[in-house]
Amino acid sequence: QQPVQSPQAVILREGEDAVINCSSSKALYSVHWYRQKHGEAPVFLMILLKGGEQKGHDKISASFNEKKQQSSLYLTASQLSYSGTYFCGTENGGSNYKLTFGKGTLLTVNP
Amino acid sequence: NAGVTQTPKFQVLKTGQSMTLQCAQDMNHEYMSWYRQDPGMGLRLIHYSVGAGITDQGEVPNGYNVSRSTTEDFPLRLLSAAPSQTSVYFCASRLTGAHEKLFFGSGTQLSVL
Repeated sequence: QQPVQSPQAVILREGEDAVINCSSSKALYSVHWYRQKHGEAPVFLMILLKGGEQKGHDKISASFNEKKQQSSLYLTASQLSYSGTYFCGTENGGSNYKLTFGKGTLLTVNP
Repeated sequence: NAGVTQTPKFQVLKTGQSMTLQCAQDMNHEYMSWYRQDPGMGLRLIHYSVGAGITDQGEVPNGYNVSRSTTEDFPLRLLSAAPSQTSVYFCASRLTGAHEKLFFGSGTQLSVL
């Protein structure tokens, strides 16, 4: 079952902030975030494990609320290069290691 | 290291034809998987494997077969292609420990007429 991402799309001006949410109906072991540019393969951003940790990558950070089975990706002071589709991938634990992705959030950053 | 290599990059099939999408990785990853990507649907898991001889179904397995005879290779077979299988296909692999990211191949654009 795919995790649910919101919003489906967001348009920003350069320098503005955005938040992308990811929620699951199942207990989560980890959450992955990837960004995909048009015509390319998804590129890894970060992984969060259960425990409520927060991680950062340049001006992009994320949080993971295990109890709510949710993760949020924060993009601060957006740059043109942040444009693309963002996917969260969830892992439910166990020994199968499979990763299930949401439908994605299309982020457009304009000058 | 080449990473995850997918072939072909583009393929056009007629309905009912069969073909195999190839995927190979040189990183000794235990986990390998196939996704299809359609507009508005995100990345949907077709099949995955946690090691040689072990495969399992994902969210959308119908119409696809896989096998894993070696650690390096994980081919995806379409036995009788249908127009609904027109999509972009990505192979991805990873190690099976915590904090292990997924490495994607460059994708295969498949059109079934």
